[in-house]
Amino acid sequence: ETGVTQTPRHLVMGMTNKKSLKCEQHLGHNAMYWYKQSAKKPLELMFVYSLEERVENNSVPSRFSPECPNSSHLFLHLHTLQPEDSALYLCASSQGSYNEQFFGPGTRLTVL
Amino acid sequence: RKEVEQDPGPFNVPEGATVAFNCTYSNSASQSFFWYRQDCRKEPKLLMSVYSSGNEDGRFTAQLNRASQYISLLIRDSKLSDSATYLCVVNRAGTALIFGKGTTLSVSS
Repeated sequence: ETGVTQTPRHLVMGMTNKKSLKCEQHLGHNAMYWYKQSAKKPLELMFVYSLEERVENNSVPSRFSPECPNSSHLFLHLHTLQPEDSALYLCASSQGSYNEQFFGPGTRLTVL
Repeated sequence: RKEVEQDPGPFNVPEGATVAFNCTYSNSASQSFFWYRQDCRKEPKLLMSVYSSGNEDGRFTAQLNRASQYISLLIRDSKLSDSATYLCVVNRAGTALIFGKGTTLSVSS
């Protein structure tokens, strides 16, 4: 498998559930990102990991918790989400923060 | 001033038309520039990087004007398959890329 993969592709969860989104990149990149994209809205950068360290956290609520165990994997742990958190969650990777990012297909999340 | 600004459109053009999108950025220290394409309900995909000397890839031409801090994308001989949202992307010095809100293009037969 090549590129950036994300699982699951679709997720429906209740507000009291705990779930995790997984991202894996097979490109040998050293930076990974989580974005949120709500319907008909622009991309919102959530978290940036560079060399497995979190270097950016754009005022994201604590109910979203990222984890980067190694340079190829990135998780987004979800806990007690709200309906307004329903969106497409996109993972991306790049080699250095100045270079082009490659996106996974995203996880379409619905919070009931 | 927003870091990256684009005309949201939509641009509605017939097949075969030439269409141009412009984008302005606020950080004069920005060094990397890209155009991405995003189809409905899909992930953004890199269309092309933008170089200082300008660059062309088939029907697509990208230009960078550092003095005026704007980037352009020209699409010639538009195809139905060009219908998408085009995202202007600029790096913010020291951190990650900044994505514009996108310009929507609709090509009709």
